[in-house]
Amino acid sequence: DAGVIQSPRHEVTEMGQEVTLRCKPISGHNSLFWYRQTMMRGLELLIYFNNNVPIDDSGMPEDRFSAKMPNASFSTLKIQPSEPRDSAVYFCASSLYWGQGIQPQHFGDGTRLSIL
Amino acid sequence: AQTVTQSQPEMSVQEAETVTLSCTYDTSESDYYLFWYKQPPSRQMILVIRQEAYKQQNATENRFSVNFQKAAKSFSLKISDSQLGDAAMYFCAYPSGSARQLTFGSGTQLTVLP
Repeated sequence: DAGVIQSPRHEVTEMGQEVTLRCKPISGHNSLFWYRQTMMRGLELLIYFNNNVPIDDSGMPEDRFSAKMPNASFSTLKIQPSEPRDSAVYFCASSLYWGQGIQPQHFGDGTRLSIL
Repeated sequence: AQTVTQSQPEMSVQEAETVTLSCTYDTSESDYYLFWYKQPPSRQMILVIRQEAYKQQNATENRFSVNFQKAAKSFSLKISDSQLGDAAMYFCAYPSGSARQLTFGSGTQLTVLP
């Protein structure tokens, strides 16, 4: 089975540019999560979707960050304009959630983002 | 809010020996899950083991097992017969909230010495 697929694996761009990170969740999963990992803050949740609907975006740092999930098989995280402090590894994860039940989240390989 | 604490930033173990990584958490829920994830240098996040709080029996996956103490809110990971490939950052994680989003501990960097 294909796991969570993220692209690109690495992104280097200059400050002020728009950055788009992409994620394809595991087929059949109905929850999708975007996490950011930095040395200073560790792993932190940015936003999550349930059945393609954004449920909680309180972890999004500021208005420069936006996320969409137009369908069950695709999500994007966009940063515009990017700043050096956005440099981090961004993970996408998906899981199957049905109320009381829970399945573990499966992570993509992450995108290492460097803003110069 | 739920918190997850890993008090050992770094640990080392000799190859073939056993090591235990500590994790404590805070929650008001009575029924929940706990996970350990492994992040090797390749940066993948790999699920190692999970524990369901209502189960009395500690979870085991091959060389990996947990010591779950619900009253103490402790969830330690034991790695037996350590191998070089076990070297990684290990994260304890608690799923909470409406979609069971994960709250992670700060991680323990495990070094395996040949």
